[in-house]
Amino acid sequence: EAGVVQSPRYKIIEKKQPVAFWCNPISGHNTLYWYLQNLGQGPELLIRYENEEAVDDSQLPKDRFSAERLKGVDSTLKIQPAELGDSAVYLCASSLGSGRAFFGQGTRLTVV
Amino acid sequence: DAKTTQPPSMDCAEGRAANLPCNHSTISGNEYVYWYRQIHSQGPQYIIHGLKNNETNEMASLIITEDRKSSTLILPHATLRDTAVYYCIVRVGTGTASKLTFGTGTRLQVTL
Repeated sequence: EAGVVQSPRYKIIEKKQPVAFWCNPISGHNTLYWYLQNLGQGPELLIRYENEEAVDDSQLPKDRFSAERLKGVDSTLKIQPAELGDSAVYLCASSLGSGRAFFGQGTRLTVV
Repeated sequence: DAKTTQPPSMDCAEGRAANLPCNHSTISGNEYVYWYRQIHSQGPQYIIHGLKNNETNEMASLIITEDRKSSTLILPHATLRDTAVYYCIVRVGTGTASKLTFGTGTRLQVTL
């Protein structure tokens, strides 16, 4: 069975440009998470979905970040416009309810 | 969720047991102890979790003190592939409040 799939694996963009990340969770997992991980730090939760509903987006910088999970399966995370400080790894994870979470490989974003 | 305290780094000789401590003195009665690890350039990987009783699986053992204020993750025979950052997390078991909050973890270096 495939795990959590994220794309792209790497992305380099110029500041002020938009960028989008895509996540395909494990089949049947209704809970989906987006995390941000800065170098040398642990992952920080950006948003958590239960099916289509964002149940915790308190840490999502809503002025430039947005996310959606249409149909309660795949999800996209968007940044517009990107800033230099957004350079980080963006991780997606999924779980069945509040069970153990499975993480994807992440997307490494570099803003130049 | 309760906060955890872990040593920033540890070393272990290959073939020996690695014992990773975690302090969670403010843990609540309904919070579980989870352990994840993150190998370089990969997403976090679930290892084990527990509530009160000690737990063992194919990867590791989890020892939780009787007062639940601390725990130890044991890798019985560490190998070079166990070199990673290990995160101890306490988490409410169920419901919309349940989420994984990562700290900075313990960087375990397994050496020959």
